[in-house]
Amino acid sequence: SQTIHQWPATLVQPVGSPLSLECTVEGTSNPNLYWYRQAAGRGLQLLFYSVGIGQISSEVPQNLSASRPQDRQFILSSKKLLLSDSGFYLCAWSGGIPYNEQFFGPGTRLTVL
Amino acid sequence: AQSVAQPEDQVNVAEGNPLTVKCTYSVSGNPYLFWYVQYPNRGLQFLLKYITGDNLVKGSYGFEAEFNKSQTSFHLKKPSALVSDSALYFCAVREGNYGQNFVFGPGTRLSVLP
Repeated sequence: SQTIHQWPATLVQPVGSPLSLECTVEGTSNPNLYWYRQAAGRGLQLLFYSVGIGQISSEVPQNLSASRPQDRQFILSSKKLLLSDSGFYLCAWSGGIPYNEQFFGPGTRLTVL
Repeated sequence: AQSVAQPEDQVNVAEGNPLTVKCTYSVSGNPYLFWYVQYPNRGLQFLLKYITGDNLVKGSYGFEAEFNKSQTSFHLKKPSALVSDSALYFCAVREGNYGQNFVFGPGTRLSVLP
């Protein structure tokens, strides 16, 4: 069966520090991968998605970036965090067929102080 | 462009009563529709989806949803609510035939009162 992992689970970082969040998927190949941010326990904001290694699409311009160095690994990064980067970050994957649902990881709670 | 509306921020229902969480959507092509549930500080869990066929879709935990093409709606329902159903519910749409993205609604917080 497929599983999706995210780490760390929680993170507290000072403003201006770098960020690296990691997401890995097991039990499937060539997944579509997604990074979302959720503020205040409400709506999801799509940040990046990837349909293959090295293929990243950005939905919202900001100081975050994403990379996909391996088929089942998706990394969210920042060189300098802002206070507004605080939130709950969710990674998700789906199969390549359009009607396949997304499966979400457990999330990372990021607090920027 | 795709869009999803969940007109109610909050739905309160007594335990044992039927519940409905509303969702309407807008897509230019064939809609693929999904419902997810989120418990505090957790990721989203998939409940059910409509792709084609029978308009009434049954999913996990006794939930079901009815697709109504003329009203562009996909309301989530359960005949008898449980306190443990209290959570945040998201409707999502993906446009068929092309596009990689899911569009999520803003979420509806369901509170089931004992």
